[in-house]
Amino acid sequence: QQQVKQSPQSLIVQKGGISIINCAYENTAFDYFPWYQQFPGKGPALLIAIRPDVSEKKEGRFTISFNKSAKQFSLHIMDSQPGDSATYFCAASIKKSSGSARQLTFGSGTQLTVLP
Amino acid sequence: GAGVSQSPSNKVTEKGKDVELRCDPISGHTALYWYRQSLGQGLEFLIYFQGNSAPDKSGLPSDRFSAERTGGSVSTLTIQRTQQEDSAVYLCASSFQGTSTYEQYFGPGTRLTVT
Repeated sequence: QQQVKQSPQSLIVQKGGISIINCAYENTAFDYFPWYQQFPGKGPALLIAIRPDVSEKKEGRFTISFNKSAKQFSLHIMDSQPGDSATYFCAASIKKSSGSARQLTFGSGTQLTVLP
Repeated sequence: GAGVSQSPSNKVTEKGKDVELRCDPISGHTALYWYRQSLGQGLEFLIYFQGNSAPDKSGLPSDRFSAERTGGSVSTLTIQRTQQEDSAVYLCASSFQGTSTYEQYFGPGTRLTVT
């Protein structure tokens, strides 16, 4: 059962435009929602993350909007740049019952292309 | 400091052979995770280790997959009798289990191709 659904699968945006990627989750026990950015040949790197007690978090050009009642969250990239071209993954995290480790459940990814 | 490292970066093997993939986590990180990323797909959780606790193997797709973590540091993921469907990028991540630190730091991955 896929627990985090991500859309769109691919996105093409003009330089300076706004990129929007959406995710929806099912498990209400998730309590941490990170976004990862992955460039070809590299591992994913944390971009920005949010906890469900806030509705929005902004870091530079990147903003997460979170709707707890709808169980949805989205990433907005303002003033998109060609250097933002990468694959973006949303994820949801839950604390494991044993110890304090956390398991990430990832969305299927969005390949973003920003045209110059 | 050094990030998570993985070796080899690429591995081509014949169907039926065993392979070992290595992960060196960030020094001091107590949790270590293995994920699999198939072409054009998201990341699939395989297994994680947390300190001296028993590993969570709930994501391993079959009994051909196993992993160990020696001395609470380096980890090896072993795939026995490889199949073509095992072809993927295998990613390792580590994290420091502090009170509010949830970030997992990923290595560059090992690209496994089974011919």
